[in-house]
Amino acid sequence: GAVVSQHPSRVICKSGTSVKIECRSLDFQATTMFWYRQFPKQSLMLMATSNEGSKATYEQGVEKDKFLINHASLTLSTLTVTSAHPEDSSFYICSARGRDRGNYGYTFGSGTRLTVV
Amino acid sequence: KQEVTQIPAALSVPEGENLVLNCSFTDSAIYNLQWFRQDPGKGLTSLLLIQSSQREQTSGRLNASLDKSSGRSTLYIAASQPGDSATYLCAVWPQGGSEKLVFGKGTKLTVNP
Repeated sequence: GAVVSQHPSRVICKSGTSVKIECRSLDFQATTMFWYRQFPKQSLMLMATSNEGSKATYEQGVEKDKFLINHASLTLSTLTVTSAHPEDSSFYICSARGRDRGNYGYTFGSGTRLTVV
Repeated sequence: KQEVTQIPAALSVPEGENLVLNCSFTDSAIYNLQWFRQDPGKGLTSLLLIQSSQREQTSGRLNASLDKSSGRSTLYIAASQPGDSATYLCAVWPQGGSEKLVFGKGTKLTVNP
């Protein structure tokens, strides 16, 4: 089945630094990838949709300059949290949809726990 | 606007019991519906994907049904085990151009040994 690999699984960084999270589709080409944020005991909140080779589409209220998304190839999307602050600490999850509409459904990565100290 | 509701929000059952999780959606114009499982601190694991033209899908002890016209789906778990304890999420992929999944808030299942 379709597999999405997300790294790192956990990261601790100092306030003011930047952190990059990678999301790779291992056995399929992902024309579209999604980035979610999840607060404790809450459901997923969609942050942005990235399409290969074009700019990401951000959800209302998400700062595009703070959360930089790059979808440079059909198998890789990255989320960079710039100038991180403690309030950016959260669980970030990526998701990918394959080329064949409906055949794969949506596959999720294992998530990244970001802690900003 | 598509809305997805899951009932109950939480469920606690003894091991071995058969159980049903419910999901309802307001707009029947969907491409498919997907059930996921999320363990604490982990990502989402896809359990079953039902295309809009299908009525049900089965995988092991899991069976998911879809009644698109009434906007309902159920996830049936047979002979529940403590390892089934997790949060179960229902999501629909709406028709109409958007590729965004619309999630329910989930059902937190606890299976007691």
